[in-house]
Amino acid sequence: AQRVTQPEKLLSVFKGAPVELKCNYSYSGSPELFWYVQYSRQRLQLLLRHISRESIKGFTADLNKGETSFHLKKPFAQEEDSAMYYCALSHGAGNMLTFGGGTRLMVKP
Amino acid sequence: SQTIHQWPATLVQPVGSPLSLECTVEGTSNPNLYWYRQAAGRGLQLLFYSVGIGQISSEVPQNLSASRPQDRQFILSSKKLLLSDSGFYLCAWRGGGNGYTFGSGTRLTVV
Repeated sequence: AQRVTQPEKLLSVFKGAPVELKCNYSYSGSPELFWYVQYSRQRLQLLLRHISRESIKGFTADLNKGETSFHLKKPFAQEEDSAMYYCALSHGAGNMLTFGGGTRLMVKP
Repeated sequence: SQTIHQWPATLVQPVGSPLSLECTVEGTSNPNLYWYRQAAGRGLQLLFYSVGIGQISSEVPQNLSASRPQDRQFILSSKKLLLSDSGFYLCAWRGGGNGYTFGSGTRLTVV
């Protein structure tokens, strides 16, 4: 069965510090992975997906099949990055999403 | 453009009362539709998904049911709510190509 694990429930960093939000997955097929973000009082929105290999708001994520990881990184955190971040895996004929438990990122001034 | 509407935003219901949450999508046809729940302190859990009218798949056994009476309408229901049904319910769709689009959610409190 598929599984997504985000080991950190809370990550607190200072502005300008590097950020890495960890995500590990378990899936027997070829994974399609996403990062979603939820800012305060806003709806859940797509941050990036591994297929596109793009950088959004300075964030990048590389799929490492050997380590079954899809960690989210940003070299210099900003206060506006404070939010809840979810890693998710798409799978099955219905393209369901299995989410990790989420990591709350707090960027302190 | 594609949009997704979900209502109500908040709901307080007594134990044993019925439930109906509605989700509609605009600007797309034949989308895959999903209901997720986020319980307090936990991640998002898939409850139901639908790949077409009248087609419902359930991921977890529960006190809830779903229906898709029209192509762009997805309804989450319960005949008798339990305290454990409290949570944040999200509707989402995927119409192909990009990632998922989520509704604004319904916070349900069963008292």
